[in-house]
Amino acid sequence: GEQVEQRPPHLSVREGDSAFITCTYTDPNSYYFFWYKQEPGASLQLLMKVFSSTEINEGQGFTVLLNKKDKRLSLNLTAAHPGDSAAYFCAVSASSGSWQLIFGSGTQLTVMP
Amino acid sequence: ETAVFQTPNYHVTQVGNEVSFNCKQTLGHDTMYWYKQDSKKLLKIMFSYNNKQLIVNETVPRRFSPQSSDKAHLNLRIKSVEPEDSAVYLCASSRGANSDYTFGSGTRLLVI
Repeated sequence: GEQVEQRPPHLSVREGDSAFITCTYTDPNSYYFFWYKQEPGASLQLLMKVFSSTEINEGQGFTVLLNKKDKRLSLNLTAAHPGDSAAYFCAVSASSGSWQLIFGSGTQLTVMP
Repeated sequence: ETAVFQTPNYHVTQVGNEVSFNCKQTLGHDTMYWYKQDSKKLLKIMFSYNNKQLIVNETVPRRFSPQSSDKAHLNLRIKSVEPEDSAVYLCASSRGANSDYTFGSGTRLLVI
């Protein structure tokens, strides 16, 4: 089945710097990809959903890159601020028809003032 | 308000007890899920339920069972809890694979 590997597990950056998180997946038939943010004690907040037909997606303060050839999904937080401190998870929608999300192991991001 | 609602928020219980967590979605979605998030924040699918079809992650112990009365509800029952069941249990829903998944706020279980 699908396996998703996420790096790094922990990331500390200074306010204003970029934060880059990467996931690799194994199933070439995967079609939907997600990035979630989880603040302490809170549930998962969807940042962005991307489709396999779109490579670069820009959100508010971040960019998501999808490289289908390398089976790699990336999240780049540009000009991070302390409010971005949280756990970030990538997720891939399984292509088996069960619509389950397979999650990466998460990245704990700390943005220092 | 349309969302995924979970109760209780927290539950503390002793080893061997039975617990049940509720999940209701008012989004009109046709698929519901239970995920377990452990102390290291790892998220693992436990069950998905769609059109009366239940898909079980084979690694889930048999003391866990989902219960659904209709497509808006998917509860989680644990027959005899063990210490390793301490975790956050997240309920989610979606409309197939084409819509965003919406997660509930989670139920934090502590087994003592």
